[in-house]
Amino acid sequence: GAGVSQTPSNKVTEKGKYVELRCDPISGHTALYWYRQSLGQGPEFLIYFQGTGAADDSGLPNDRFFAVRPEGSVSTLKIQRTERGDSAVYLCASSLGSSGGNTGELFFGEGSRLTVL
Amino acid sequence: AQSVTQLDSHVSVSEGTPVLLRCNYSSSYSPSLFWYVQHPNKGLQLLLKYTSAATLVKGINGFEAEFKKSETSFHLTKPSAHMSDAAEYFCVVRVWGSARQLTFGSGTQLTVLP
Repeated sequence: GAGVSQTPSNKVTEKGKYVELRCDPISGHTALYWYRQSLGQGPEFLIYFQGTGAADDSGLPNDRFFAVRPEGSVSTLKIQRTERGDSAVYLCASSLGSSGGNTGELFFGEGSRLTVL
Repeated sequence: AQSVTQLDSHVSVSEGTPVLLRCNYSSSYSPSLFWYVQHPNKGLQLLLKYTSAATLVKGINGFEAEFKKSETSFHLTKPSAHMSDAAEYFCVVRVWGSARQLTFGSGTQLTVLP
């Protein structure tokens, strides 16, 4: 597609359940990012992929969070044993390279809204 | 480390009047600065960017911002607000070579009154 695609757009789950959120970046973009946006706040960095490898996962809040990008394109963010505090909008972005091309511009998807009851 | 501070969490203007959204940054190195806009239930969209070229940057939809190093500011302006400008605006800083890429401010909600 033309833009970054994220599925599902909305996910409601119960505390303790496992959740997967998917991101399909813009074709040809080697860099992929996950951010989390809580209500009333700006997006916070979670993890950054360059190709298949996680170049920086220092933003993941704890070991319940994990992300993969096995073929260097689609990425999945996985959350185990969900807690109510995990409720947020999870944003995915992609860019041409680690420097975002010449501009540093990231292209964002519309996000996956996760609600943990 | 880099950070941005958006000085107003909410700004309200009348349609047709000027818009000023304030942003101050902190960065140890020469930063790139961005303004992103987020409409309800929409993805973040880039409005404009500063990357060490001209200090006055023009963006989409009539917005512009001026990089002032002496004041460590990057305020967003528009001469005349339109109803469609109502949205959340984020000031963002990026340090070249940083794997974390972007650090977002907490956002400014712009309301445009008829």
